[in-house]
Amino acid sequence: NAGVMQNPRHLVRRRGQEARLRCSPMKGHSHVYWYRQLPEEGLKFMVYLQKENIIDESGMPKERFSAEFPKEGPSILRIQQVVRGDSAAYFCASSPRTSGSLDTQYFGPGTRLTVL
Amino acid sequence: KNEVEQSPQNLTAQEGEFITINCSYSVGISALHWLQQHPGGGIVSLFMLSSGKKKHGRLIATINIQEKHSSLHITASHPRDSAVYICAVPINTDKLIFGTGTRLQVFP
Repeated sequence: NAGVMQNPRHLVRRRGQEARLRCSPMKGHSHVYWYRQLPEEGLKFMVYLQKENIIDESGMPKERFSAEFPKEGPSILRIQQVVRGDSAAYFCASSPRTSGSLDTQYFGPGTRLTVL
Repeated sequence: KNEVEQSPQNLTAQEGEFITINCSYSVGISALHWLQQHPGGGIVSLFMLSSGKKKHGRLIATINIQEKHSSLHITASHPRDSAVYICAVPINTDKLIFGTGTRLQVFP
Protein backbone atom coordinates (compact mmCIF):
# COMPACT_ATOMS: atom_id res chain seq x y z
CA ASN A 1 0.00 0.00 0.00
CA ALA A 2 1.86 3.04 -1.27
CA GLY A 3 1.93 6.10 0.91
CA VAL A 4 1.10 9.63 -0.13
CA MET A 5 2.95 10.48 -3.31
CA GLN A 6 3.99 13.90 -4.45
CA ASN A 7 5.68 14.94 -7.64
CA PRO A 8 7.86 16.43 -8.62
CA ARG A 9 10.08 16.25 -5.55
CA HIS A 10 12.05 19.28 -6.70
CA LEU A 11 10.81 21.97 -9.04
CA VAL A 12 12.73 24.96 -10.31
CA ARG A 13 10.89 27.81 -11.97
CA ARG A 14 11.80 31.29 -13.13
CA ARG A 15 9.82 34.28 -11.97
CA GLY A 16 6.58 34.59 -13.90
CA GLN A 17 6.29 30.89 -14.79
CA GLU A 18 3.64 28.52 -13.55
CA ALA A 19 4.23 25.74 -11.03
CA ARG A 20 2.04 22.63 -10.81
CA LEU A 21 2.43 20.37 -7.80
CA ARG A 22 0.74 16.99 -7.71
CA CYS A 23 -0.41 14.88 -4.79
CA SER A 24 -1.78 11.35 -4.92
CA PRO A 25 -3.36 10.40 -1.58
CA MET A 26 -3.09 7.02 0.03
CA LYS A 27 -5.41 4.38 -1.36
CA GLY A 28 -8.84 4.77 0.14
CA HIS A 29 -8.26 8.36 1.29
CA SER A 30 -10.57 10.96 -0.20
CA HIS A 31 -9.40 13.97 1.82
CA VAL A 32 -6.32 16.00 0.98
CA TYR A 33 -4.66 18.86 2.83
CA TRP A 34 -1.92 21.11 1.43
CA TYR A 35 0.60 22.77 3.74
CA ARG A 36 3.48 25.12 3.01
CA GLN A 37 6.78 25.45 4.84
CA LEU A 38 8.69 28.62 4.03
CA PRO A 39 12.46 28.57 4.62
CA GLU A 40 13.26 28.57 8.34
CA GLU A 41 9.55 28.75 9.21
CA GLY A 42 6.93 26.36 10.47
CA LEU A 43 4.27 24.54 8.50
CA LYS A 44 1.15 26.49 7.58
CA PHE A 45 -2.20 25.21 6.34
CA MET A 46 -3.18 26.21 2.82
CA VAL A 47 -6.24 24.29 1.64
CA TYR A 48 -8.39 21.24 2.40
CA LEU A 49 -10.11 19.35 -0.39
CA GLN A 50 -12.35 16.39 -0.91
CA LYS A 51 -12.96 14.85 -4.30
CA GLU A 52 -14.34 17.65 -6.53
CA ASN A 53 -14.84 19.99 -3.56
CA ILE A 54 -12.81 22.67 -1.81
CA ILE A 55 -13.77 22.45 1.85
CA ASP A 56 -11.50 25.09 3.38
CA GLU A 57 -9.20 27.43 1.49
CA SER A 58 -8.66 29.91 4.30
CA GLY A 59 -4.87 29.52 4.12
CA MET A 60 -4.52 30.11 0.40
CA PRO A 61 -3.06 33.41 -0.80
CA LYS A 62 -5.79 35.44 -2.48
CA GLU A 63 -4.08 35.61 -5.86
CA ARG A 64 -2.13 33.26 -8.11
CA PHE A 65 -2.79 30.11 -6.05
CA SER A 66 -5.45 27.53 -6.81
CA ALA A 67 -6.08 23.91 -5.92
CA GLU A 68 -8.24 21.12 -7.20
CA PHE A 69 -8.94 17.47 -6.48
CA PRO A 70 -10.78 16.01 -9.45
CA LYS A 71 -12.87 12.88 -9.43
CA GLU A 72 -10.07 11.04 -11.20
CA GLY A 73 -6.39 11.74 -10.75
CA PRO A 74 -4.23 13.53 -8.24
CA SER A 75 -4.83 16.75 -6.38
CA ILE A 76 -3.10 19.69 -8.02
CA LEU A 77 -1.77 22.84 -6.39
CA ARG A 78 -1.19 25.46 -9.05
CA ILE A 79 0.82 28.62 -8.62
CA GLN A 80 0.66 31.11 -11.46
CA GLN A 81 3.30 33.77 -12.16
CA VAL A 82 5.59 32.55 -9.42
CA VAL A 83 7.68 34.98 -7.40
CA ARG A 84 10.77 34.36 -5.29
CA GLY A 85 8.66 34.44 -2.13
CA ASP A 86 6.86 31.29 -3.32
CA SER A 87 10.06 29.28 -2.81
CA ALA A 88 9.16 26.76 -0.13
CA ALA A 89 8.45 23.12 0.60
CA TYR A 90 4.87 22.17 -0.18
CA PHE A 91 3.51 19.13 1.61
CA CYS A 92 0.26 17.36 1.10
CA ALA A 93 -1.36 15.03 3.58
CA SER A 94 -4.28 12.67 3.21
CA SER A 95 -6.72 11.09 5.59
CA PRO A 96 -9.69 8.74 5.33
CA ARG A 97 -11.75 11.13 7.45
CA THR A 98 -13.71 8.28 8.95
CA SER A 99 -13.29 9.62 12.48
CA GLY A 100 -13.12 13.33 11.81
CA SER A 101 -10.47 15.09 13.83
CA LEU A 102 -9.34 11.79 15.30
CA ASP A 103 -7.93 10.70 11.94
CA THR A 104 -4.20 10.61 11.44
CA GLN A 105 -3.01 12.66 8.51
CA TYR A 106 -0.34 10.95 6.40
CA PHE A 107 2.20 13.25 4.83
CA GLY A 108 3.81 13.04 1.43
CA PRO A 109 7.54 13.66 0.94
CA GLY A 110 6.95 17.23 -0.19
CA THR A 111 7.78 19.25 -3.28
CA ARG A 112 10.59 21.74 -2.91
CA LEU A 113 9.90 24.70 -5.15
CA THR A 114 12.74 27.06 -5.99
CA VAL A 115 11.97 30.24 -7.88
CA LEU A 116 14.96 31.82 -9.58
CA LYS B 1 0.66 34.57 20.96
CA ASN B 2 0.74 31.42 18.86
CA GLU B 3 -2.13 29.01 19.26
CA VAL B 4 0.36 26.16 19.57
CA GLU B 5 3.60 26.70 21.44
CA GLN B 6 6.50 24.31 21.89
CA SER B 7 9.46 24.30 24.20
CA PRO B 8 12.34 24.17 24.01
CA GLN B 9 13.03 25.47 20.50
CA ASN B 10 16.42 23.75 20.42
CA LEU B 11 17.65 20.81 22.41
CA THR B 12 20.97 19.02 22.48
CA ALA B 13 21.56 15.79 24.33
CA GLN B 14 24.11 13.06 24.80
CA GLU B 15 23.26 9.62 23.55
CA GLY B 16 21.27 7.74 26.16
CA GLU B 17 19.67 10.77 27.79
CA PHE B 18 15.94 11.05 28.47
CA ILE B 19 14.37 13.78 26.34
CA THR B 20 11.18 15.76 26.97
CA ILE B 21 9.55 18.15 24.53
CA ASN B 22 6.52 20.16 25.60
CA CYS B 23 3.55 21.50 23.68
CA SER B 24 0.88 23.90 24.96
CA TYR B 25 -2.12 25.02 22.98
CA SER B 26 -4.80 27.63 23.46
CA VAL B 27 -7.56 26.29 21.22
CA GLY B 28 -10.10 23.66 22.14
CA ILE B 29 -9.18 20.39 20.52
CA SER B 30 -10.19 16.77 20.44
CA ALA B 31 -6.78 15.38 19.48
CA LEU B 32 -3.16 16.32 19.07
CA HIS B 33 -0.50 15.11 16.64
CA TRP B 34 3.23 14.68 17.13
CA LEU B 35 5.26 14.72 13.92
CA GLN B 36 8.91 14.17 13.15
CA GLN B 37 10.68 16.02 10.36
CA HIS B 38 13.99 14.56 9.30
CA PRO B 39 16.96 16.63 8.10
CA GLY B 40 16.01 15.63 4.55
CA GLY B 41 12.64 17.29 5.07
CA GLY B 42 10.25 14.34 5.11
CA ILE B 43 7.49 14.34 7.73
CA VAL B 44 6.42 11.27 9.66
CA SER B 45 3.39 11.10 11.90
CA LEU B 46 4.49 9.70 15.26
CA PHE B 47 1.35 9.87 17.36
CA MET B 48 -2.20 11.07 17.30
CA LEU B 49 -3.71 11.13 20.76
CA SER B 50 -6.85 12.42 22.37
CA SER B 51 -6.30 11.37 25.98
CA GLY B 52 -3.85 9.72 28.31
CA LYS B 53 -0.68 8.25 27.00
CA LYS B 54 0.65 6.36 23.99
CA LYS B 55 3.91 4.47 23.61
CA HIS B 56 5.76 3.32 20.52
CA GLY B 57 9.19 1.87 21.05
CA ARG B 58 11.29 4.47 22.85
CA LEU B 59 8.76 7.22 22.25
CA ILE B 60 6.03 8.14 24.73
CA ALA B 61 3.41 10.85 24.24
CA THR B 62 1.09 12.15 26.93
CA ILE B 63 -1.73 14.65 26.83
CA ASN B 64 -3.73 16.52 29.45
CA ILE B 65 -6.80 17.92 27.72
CA GLN B 66 -7.87 19.99 30.75
CA GLU B 67 -4.50 21.69 31.04
CA LYS B 68 -4.09 21.90 27.23
CA HIS B 69 -0.65 20.41 27.38
CA SER B 70 1.15 17.50 25.78
CA SER B 71 4.63 16.08 26.15
CA LEU B 72 6.75 13.88 23.93
CA HIS B 73 9.40 11.80 25.68
CA ILE B 74 12.27 9.88 24.13
CA THR B 75 13.95 7.30 26.33
CA ALA B 76 17.55 6.21 25.74
CA SER B 77 18.03 8.81 23.00
CA HIS B 78 20.17 7.96 19.98
CA PRO B 79 21.83 10.12 17.30
CA ARG B 80 19.29 8.84 14.78
CA ASP B 81 16.59 10.59 16.85
CA SER B 82 18.06 13.91 15.71
CA ALA B 83 15.25 15.70 13.90
CA VAL B 84 12.68 18.44 14.32
CA TYR B 85 9.69 17.39 16.41
CA ILE B 86 6.45 19.22 15.75
CA CYS B 87 3.16 19.16 17.59
CA ALA B 88 0.01 20.02 15.69
CA VAL B 89 -3.64 20.41 16.59
CA PRO B 90 -6.65 20.04 14.29
CA ILE B 91 -9.16 22.89 14.36
CA ASN B 92 -12.38 23.74 12.53
CA THR B 93 -12.29 21.59 9.40
CA ASP B 94 -9.52 19.48 10.94
CA LYS B 95 -6.80 21.46 9.25
CA LEU B 96 -3.66 21.27 11.37
CA ILE B 97 -2.17 24.21 13.22
CA PHE B 98 1.49 23.55 13.91
CA GLY B 99 3.89 24.47 16.65
CA THR B 100 7.19 26.01 15.62
CA GLY B 101 9.03 22.76 16.22
CA THR B 102 11.81 21.60 18.51
CA ARG B 103 15.14 20.91 16.87
CA LEU B 104 16.77 17.97 18.65
CA GLN B 105 20.39 16.98 18.22
CA VAL B 106 21.67 13.88 19.96
CA PHE B 107 25.43 13.47 20.06
CA PRO B 108 27.20 10.12 20.43
